Amino acid sequence: SQKIEQNSEALNIQEGKTATLTCNYTNYSPAYLQWYRQDPGRGPVFLLLIRENEKEKRKERLKVTFDTTLKQSLFHITASQPADSATYLCALDGDYQLIWGAGTKLIIKP
Amino acid sequence: DADVTQTPRNRITKTGKRIMLECSQTKGHDRMYWYRQDPGLGLRLIYYSFDVKDINKGEISDGYSVSRQAQAKFSLSLESAIPNQTALYFCATRSGTGVRDTQYFGPGTRLTVL
Repeated sequence: SQKIEQNSEALNIQEGKTATLTCNYTNYSPAYLQWYRQDPGRGPVFLLLIRENEKEKRKERLKVTFDTTLKQSLFHITASQPADSATYLCALDGDYQLIWGAGTKLIIKP
Repeated sequence: DADVTQTPRNRITKTGKRIMLECSQTKGHDRMYWYRQDPGLGLRLIYYSFDVKDINKGEISDGYSVSRQAQAKFSLSLESAIPNQTALYFCATRSGTGVRDTQYFGPGTRLTVL
């Protein structure tokens, strides 16, 4: 079955630097992959979707890449700000549902 | 107003009690989902519904039941709550009309079973 791995350790980044989060999957390459942001005590909020035939997708300071050879997606936040501190989840399409990673907590230090 | 609402937001109950968590949505989506989230684990699917007459078990449905009262309402019940059901519960919707059908989440219900 499909498994998703995200770094379980918190990622500490200095304000202004680029934060890079990793999502690895183990089985088949999904048709598309999604990234969500989750703040403490709140539901995840959709950020970006990238399709298997897309190498890169951008939205403002966010960039997502998708490498089906490496079975990996990278999520970048450039010019990071303390307000970007949150947990970021990746999700892949399954047969009837999204399959979710456990998320990586990102901390941007002033 | 929020597109997906959940009630209650917090609930403390005792072992053996029956609990109902409610979810309402104004997005007009056919697909609705119930997840639980535990620290260090990803979102795990409890039940999902593609329309009022189509309800399906997810990966962790034991101990839970659901009711889809209308397109906009999807309730989750714990028939006899136990402490390991202590978790954060989320309801979500999805349009299901294409590959861009992302999920929209409610604010969550924090349930504690003593």
